[in-house]
Amino acid sequence: RKEVEQDPGPFNVPEGATVAFNCTYSNSASQSFFWYRQDCRKEPKLLMSVYSSGNEDGRFTAQLNRASQYISLLIRDSKLSDSATYLCAVIFRSNDYKLSFGAGTTVTVRA
Amino acid sequence: EADIYQTPRYLVIGTGKKITLECSQTMGHDKMYWYQQDPGMELHLIHYSYGVNSTEKGDLSSESTVSRIRTEHFPLTLESARPSHTSQYLCASSEGIRGRSSYEQYFGPGTRLTVT
Repeated sequence: RKEVEQDPGPFNVPEGATVAFNCTYSNSASQSFFWYRQDCRKEPKLLMSVYSSGNEDGRFTAQLNRASQYISLLIRDSKLSDSATYLCAVIFRSNDYKLSFGAGTTVTVRA
Repeated sequence: EADIYQTPRYLVIGTGKKITLECSQTMGHDKMYWYQQDPGMELHLIHYSYGVNSTEKGDLSSESTVSRIRTEHFPLTLESARPSHTSQYLCASSEGIRGRSSYEQYFGPGTRLTVT
């Protein structure tokens, strides 16, 4: 079983739709969680950190569910420019700084 | 925007050549990382460094080596390139001080390596 798992998608949604997807992690002691966005053949860019209380940045909302060991990302009012692969990343140990990445969820927003 | 740079951006080289991929950051970050990513595939950590003169191998075995003589510089070397080394190599850094934002990693633009 992979340490960080994501539904690869693709999620094909019309402009203006809401899309949400999850990322599960295997280590219950995991400390820190992040969402990255990666465009085709580009580097990952940090989208947002995920806090225990959940957090929102514009149209993007991230949630953490420690009991079920997953994080989620919700995109409201999807734009064409939201089309990308979304990677979740987890730090498993408190004295570690290495990120473990999921394989990514592909989102395609169509006009 | 992260201030982390990689050169060259693209490299096509013949089998057996020695190559060095450069990575520099101007943020004063202690922690630096090298990832390998094939097209459409996931990121794999191949090397990391938590400070000057400190380097460790990552989760994916790699024939490459790294050095960290200066805080801002973390080059990756392949002594003898092979077609199996063809991939994208991404460098990242993080502040690495305990605190909420210090674990966030910022990536350079990557080097796309093709070994013929």
